[in-house]
Amino acid sequence: AAGVIQSPRHLIKEKRETATLKCYPIPRHDTVYWYQQGPGQDPQFLISFYEKMQSDKGSIPDRFSAQQFSDYHSELNMSSLELGDSALYFCASTSRTGDNTGELFFGEGSRLTVL
Amino acid sequence: KQEVTQIPAALSVPEGENLVLNCSFTDSAIYNLQWFRQDPGKGLTSLLLIQSSQREQTSGRLNASLDKSSGRSTLYIAASQPGDSATYLCAVKKSNFGNEKLTFGTGTRLTIIP
Repeated sequence: AAGVIQSPRHLIKEKRETATLKCYPIPRHDTVYWYQQGPGQDPQFLISFYEKMQSDKGSIPDRFSAQQFSDYHSELNMSSLELGDSALYFCASTSRTGDNTGELFFGEGSRLTVL
Repeated sequence: KQEVTQIPAALSVPEGENLVLNCSFTDSAIYNLQWFRQDPGKGLTSLLLIQSSQREQTSGRLNASLDKSSGRSTLYIAASQPGDSATYLCAVKKSNFGNEKLTFGTGTRLTIIP
């Protein structure tokens, strides 16, 4: 079965650079979530989208922005990168229709290292 | 604000033993609860999902229970194996629309000793 696809899997950037992470949800999933997991920490919610509209917002820095496109894939844009942005970034998807269980499925994550 | 706590933070048990991982949450108004497994540096694998109206779910050697009124869930692992070594995270969802993010617990790092 198709899973959530994230790219790139690994990314190395310098301070003050920009980075873009991409997420392709499971087919027919309409909701996408972004999470950030620092070393030794639990995942922290950043932002979510339902049908291309922002549906919930967490502790996402102002330097970050995200959107969901017409094909339901999502991109997380990070600018003016700081050392503290080094983390695993997870995307998750779910469907609000169908069985409506609300189960989230996570991708393998994108590891961002800021030097 | 929902807070999710997992005890213990780390656990080591000999292979073959049965074990229980605990998860507690402060706001009992939840939509569902998920248990995940995470290997070091890897993604989150969903193990079990319990809806707020359910009491337990089972998958193979895993059994998760939910007591919403007391804000507790347990993950029972039977006949543990070295391959079960990983960090186990529970996460609660308040709603399926609007405030629908998952709030994660702090995790239990499990080591199964061969």
